[in-house]
Amino acid sequence: KAGVTQTPRYLIKTRGQQVTLSCSPISGHRSVSWYQQTPGQGLQFLFEYFSETQRNKGNFPGRFSGRQFSNSRSEMNVSTLELGDSALYLCASSTTRAAGTGELFFGEGSRLTVL
Amino acid sequence: AQRVTQPEKLLSVFKGAPVELKCNYSYSGSPELFWYVQYSRQRLQLLLRHISRESIKGFTADLNKGETSFHLKKPFAQEEDSAMYYCALCNFGNEKLTFGTGTRLTIIP
Repeated sequence: KAGVTQTPRYLIKTRGQQVTLSCSPISGHRSVSWYQQTPGQGLQFLFEYFSETQRNKGNFPGRFSGRQFSNSRSEMNVSTLELGDSALYLCASSTTRAAGTGELFFGEGSRLTVL
Repeated sequence: AQRVTQPEKLLSVFKGAPVELKCNYSYSGSPELFWYVQYSRQRLQLLLRHISRESIKGFTADLNKGETSFHLKKPFAQEEDSAMYYCALCNFGNEKLTFGTGTRLTIIP
């Protein structure tokens, strides 16, 4: 089976722009969760989707949003980018309804640099 | 609120020596705890979970509810153990998964 696929792998944006990141889960996985990874903060939970419904949301401002499609693919969007949004954004998929209760399978991440 | 603390950002251990990566948590209920690992140029992956009570790659982790800890241990470190290790806690109430800030383990040959 193909692993979790994230696109794009690298991108550079300027402050004020917006960005959309995509995640294709492992075939058959209906749960997708997103994390922001930075050297100082580790992995911080953004949100989690199951069958197109957001099940949980982390403590991020409203500029961060996401959605899941009927084929389980997910996107996250960050609007009005700030320098502090520079990070590696990881997507993970899981077979369990609640991602946190099962094994997470991670993608390689999308590295966002905001200038 | 649930919280996971990994007090050591960096840990260096000689090959063959015992390894202990510390993880403390704060959570009032009964948590499910995990260790995830990221080897160089590889994806983050599950190493072990508390409920399985398995030993993976020689690593074990015991849940100590009294000390609210879930330390990861291995009796004899190997060079291939060098990696970034994250402890994570699942709150069965809201089913959120919370990660610690991670410990970078370096095994010195």
